[in-house]
Formats: sequence, structure tokens, C-alpha cells
Amino acid sequence: DTAVSQTPKYLVTQMGNDKSIKCEQNLGHDTMYWYKQDSKKFLKIMFSYNNKELIINETVPNRFSPKSPDKAHLNLHINSLELGDSAVYFCASSLSGSPDTQYFGPGTRLTVL
Amino acid sequence: AQRVTQPEKLLSVFKGAPVELKCNYSYSGSPELFWYVQYSRQRLQLLLRHISRESIKGFTADLNKGETSFHLKKPFAQEEDSAMYYCALITGGTSYGKLTFGQGTILTVHP
Repeated sequence: DTAVSQTPKYLVTQMGNDKSIKCEQNLGHDTMYWYKQDSKKFLKIMFSYNNKELIINETVPNRFSPKSPDKAHLNLHINSLELGDSAVYFCASSLSGSPDTQYFGPGTRLTVL
Repeated sequence: AQRVTQPEKLLSVFKGAPVELKCNYSYSGSPELFWYVQYSRQRLQLLLRHISRESIKGFTADLNKGETSFHLKKPFAQEEDSAMYYCALITGGTSYGKLTFGQGTILTVHP
């Protein structure tokens, strides 16, 4: 059973397009996250949701919009993709925001051409 | 502002040699620090946290508030320790707080 799954695993698209990445967890966690890992492997939090409510919103362009339809899902929609958006995006979940229980997804490698 | 620094991007050692991955932090509050590991083709996972003071896979890390460091150590490295290691600091509380990661260190253990 996959605990935190992301789709797609790879995404190649043109500049200016709009794309979405989906994340689902079946751990019963109430908190979910999106992280971005850039080409230098630097890992930075983007958003965090608890029970569908936004609790962390880092300085991210408003082209990025997270959506949490329920506490088991946190999707990331990106408008007007730019070259600099190319990265690996990791979803994660945890119980009550505790990093001890934080479980990461396998990542989605986004390439913008 | 909080910051985590891992000064070594790459670290290579031979099997059986001691290894130390350096981590320094900057934070005005009481820090809670973690080490995460990402093995090849696997997901990022928690290795250890300073509060537990435990040894995981032979690794230990001691929080030194005077030097603002949380270095990860292992006395005898194994080939299976080769991975990317991230040091992380939680701010804003341990519940719903934010994890700030260092730049990561790629450890390669040669046979």
C-alpha cells in the first residue's frame, strides 16, 4: 500500500502552460505539505494544510495554487509555467503537523521547456 | 530569520572510516533539529531527531547550542549509508511548525 502517492511522476510541458500535480495519502494524517527541490537539491516548503485549511504559505508566486478537497488530498495547480518552475515537487503528510510523523511522497519531476 | 547550513555539498569516505556530516543553524528560539535521509530512488525519510537522543543505523547527532551545531556522526561508515542527507530545523512550534532544510550533503561511501 502506498502511503503518500503523487501523480504524475514525471511532467514535461511548455512554458506558459497550466498543469496540476495530485497528492493523496492513506495514512489518516491531517496535515499535508508541498515542498520544492530545485536543481541544486535545495529543499524548501511551499504550503501546508491542516484539515483542508491553509496554515503555511511561503513566499511563492501566486501562479501556484494549492487545493485540498479533503484531508487526504492536496493538489498543486501551477498557472503560466516558467522555466524556473522546473524542479522536483514533493508532497508530504503528517499527524497534527508533527515532523516525527512526516511521510514524504516519491516526488514529481517537472520539466518546463 | 532561521537558517540551516550544511557546508559540504559532497562528502566521500571509505568503508569503515568515521564520517561526520556538518550542520549549523541560526535560530533565536529553542531549536528542534532533525536529520533526514534520501537513499537512491527512495523517498525522503526521517533519520533521527535531537530530542530522542537515539542512535539510528549507527548514526548519532548531538545538539551543541554553544556552537549552534547538530553534526551527524557514524564511527564506521558502510556502503549502504551512501545517500543524500538533509539537516532540518523546525520553527513555529513542533505542531504545525515549518521545517527549514539545509542544502543537503551527498555522502558516498566507497568500498
